[in-house]
This record gives sequence, C-alpha cells and structure tokens, in this order.
Amino acid sequence: IAGITQAPTSQILAAGRRMTLRCTQDMRHNAMYWYRQDLGLGLRLIHYSNTAGTTGKGEVPDGYSVSRANTDDFPLTLASAVPSQTSVYFCASSESLNTEAFFGQGTRLTVV
Amino acid sequence: GIQVEQSPPDLILQEGANSTLRCNFSDSVNNLQWFHQNPWGQLINLFYIPSGTKQNGRLSATTVATERYSLLYISSSQTTDSGVYFCAVEGYSTLTFGKGTMLLVSP
Repeated sequence: IAGITQAPTSQILAAGRRMTLRCTQDMRHNAMYWYRQDLGLGLRLIHYSNTAGTTGKGEVPDGYSVSRANTDDFPLTLASAVPSQTSVYFCASSESLNTEAFFGQGTRLTVV
Repeated sequence: GIQVEQSPPDLILQEGANSTLRCNFSDSVNNLQWFHQNPWGQLINLFYIPSGTKQNGRLSATTVATERYSLLYISSSQTTDSGVYFCAVEGYSTLTFGKGTMLLVSP
C-alpha cells in the first residue's frame, strides 16, 4: 500500500542520547517535511526538502538535522536529545511544494 | 510568515447536528488543506482546496481566497467525527497549520 512509513512508532530516550527518526515514502514525491506537534502549539515545521539533495529550515530547526540522499527517505536526527524535544513527530510528503501533502502515522518521542 | 486562525477552538455537538468550522489566513495562499486528526493521532486528508467548493459525503469545504478564509461544513455529525480539525495553508514554501478546532460529538 502506497504511503508514508515512520519508525519507530514510539520511543523513550535518555537525555543526551542521539536518535534518528526514520521516514520513507513510496509515492515518488519530491517534497518531504518534518513537523512536531505539541499541545497548545499545533504542528510546527522543523525541516523540509524540496527535492533529493536539498534541505531547508522550518520554524523550529534548532537541535535537529536532516538529510535527503534519495527521493524516498528523509531521516530526522536529534544529535543530543533534551527533554523539550519530547513531542509527537510527523513526517509528510507532497508531489512538490504547493501541492497536497500526506502525513505518516507519527512517532511519539519522550526524552527523560 | 502567514498567520492561520481557526474558530471555534472547541465545539461540542449532539449526534446529528450540523456545524461550520472557520479558518482565516493573513496572506495570499497557493494551497489550503483541511485535516482531521482522529483520537488515535492519525492525520487524515479531508480536502485540498486553495479555492472554490468541494464536497465529500457529509463534509464540504469552501475557500474564498480573495477574502482569506475557508469554511468546513459537517452535516449530520456522527461520533466518529470527533477529533481535531486542522486547517493548513501554504504561501511561498511550506504548510503552516492553525491550532485546530477540537470537536466532540456525543451520542
């Protein structure tokens, strides 16, 4: 079934540890995005990628990095996790910018 | 960046009632989407509607781009409609989300 797959579904992580959230899409979409969702703040963009090989910063990029080595994969890395990065993380993709976006099922991350 | 305001923030309905959710945005947009986040956290696409009107079953949406607002109509609401409804708009680059309308439909 075509779509976006995120892994892991949930994770408890010790502060200071490194963590990579994985996102894979099989729709051959050019654009991909990472959002975090926090109570009262809605969904905020962390990083995005217009096409393979390019990335850009969103509204809340600090403490996160991304790479886009190919069309299908867009991993999000927390180099040294802090408790304020406790959140639900959503990956999304769209055919290109300004077209309909589709979301993965989310990753619930708790940093303790 | 673009500001997105949704109203009302919360809504409680009796099953079978109709409702209208509103999304105001501060600038011209190239993309507007409505999402439903169900109680399990999944974000479900409802409409991709940068302008005009669309209908899908009991749901319909209208975007008046020149006046910078969009409306989501839910008719004959069901308990399965409960959840949070998000409006998201895209100006020059990426989607900006409103804070959502939390809907509870009681039996």
